[in-house]
Amino acid sequence: DVKVTQSSRYLVKRTGEKVFLECVQDMDHENMFWYRQDPGLGLRLIYFSYDVKMKEKGDIPEGYSVSREKKERFSLILESASTNQTSMYLCASSFPREASDYEQYFGPGTRLTVT
Amino acid sequence: ELKVEQNPLFLSMQEGKNYTIYCNYSTTSDRLYWYRQDPGKSLESLFVLLSNGAVKQEGRLMASLDTKARLSTLHITAAVHDLSATYFCAVDPPTQGGSEKLVFGKGTKLTVNP
Repeated sequence: DVKVTQSSRYLVKRTGEKVFLECVQDMDHENMFWYRQDPGLGLRLIYFSYDVKMKEKGDIPEGYSVSREKKERFSLILESASTNQTSMYLCASSFPREASDYEQYFGPGTRLTVT
Repeated sequence: ELKVEQNPLFLSMQEGKNYTIYCNYSTTSDRLYWYRQDPGKSLESLFVLLSNGAVKQEGRLMASLDTKARLSTLHITAAVHDLSATYFCAVDPPTQGGSEKLVFGKGTKLTVNP
């Protein structure tokens, strides 16, 4: 079974704080993704990584950065949290799209509230 | 730019009835995914459809893919309350510059009433 885990299920932070969200997968997947999910807006891709130390911007990268120092771990960083970053954050991982079993597997999510 | 549209976005149905959720997409693709999300939970994979004409069934849910029409359907047979959830389709766009992204629909929130 693919396991994607996220460091926290619920997080409350203050405006201006630096926030780290951690994601770990145990399937040796090359790709890892960070999404945010908001009511009425669906899933929006923030960043993804297709290899260690490699990253690519998604649709809404502003206000976020990422780090991938090891293959199994992908971190999302909010440099200075703002209230409009209150959301559900979902991490996912997959093999490369050329793989016959390409599919994204999701972690349990982190509900972040910024006050 | 690939666009994925689901309809309806909200669906309230009675137990025992049948219904279909539609997923239309705007550019060529031959891979489509259906996910389920329970309230407050993450996304769980339901079906992976990899070619034109693909049909997959699991319990009361059946998914199909018509790549020529750029359409996938998720058919619910004799709905039960446990199927209440939000259902997302996601499309794998043709590779452009090595992109690995899926594009998700906005989701269909299904409520099955006794």
